[in-house]
Amino acid sequence: GEDVEQSLFLSVREGDSSVINCTYTDSSSTYLYWYKQEPGAGLQLLTYIFSNMDMKQDQRLTVLLNKKDKHLSLRIADTQTGDSAIYFCAESAGNTGKLIFGQGTTLQVKP
Amino acid sequence: SAVISQKPSRDICQRGTSLTIQCQVDSQVTMMFWYRQQPGQSLTLIATANQGSEATYESGFVIDKFPISRPNLTFSTLTVSNMSPEDSSIYLCSVRTGRDIQYFGAGTRLSVL
Repeated sequence: GEDVEQSLFLSVREGDSSVINCTYTDSSSTYLYWYKQEPGAGLQLLTYIFSNMDMKQDQRLTVLLNKKDKHLSLRIADTQTGDSAIYFCAESAGNTGKLIFGQGTTLQVKP
Repeated sequence: SAVISQKPSRDICQRGTSLTIQCQVDSQVTMMFWYRQQPGQSLTLIATANQGSEATYESGFVIDKFPISRPNLTFSTLTVSNMSPEDSSIYLCSVRTGRDIQYFGAGTRLSVL
């Protein structure tokens, strides 16, 4: 079945770049997503990438997609303390619309 | 995008009682979903809320425990029935827009004593 894997924890210094990695299994996913969850909050859609794209850039965020390896990454440039949160990778499961989530990567940004 | 309002934002309930969570979206959407996030865990889909018909439940979730209503294209409710402490979680509503993008509500934080 579908599965999404992420590393659990990443610590960076303020001003550095952060790279969060994700692997997925469903090659039929139309979109792949990155969501951010701050403490005590819901899920905020950060960005998404269509499956026929290799890269998408949105201000400080860069998403890279390697379909051959089923690997997705999120790069945050100039990481700030406000970026500290849990980041979830998700793939859409076929045409059902439902999302399969990774375990979430906790990003800790040290001043 | 879609703006999703979820109520209540949090609640503390007694064992054996039921809680109904409401989800309102600011535009008509085809698909609405309910997810559960247990403490320290990722999100798991409970069911797809279908307008005008019974919800489609994922493995491990049943209608008697999590009845869902969807009377129109902008509103849905999830009831957590006969609650136990194991039901303490965040419950999130999400919607899929016409561009196949999914947005989430702020969630309902439920604690069962």
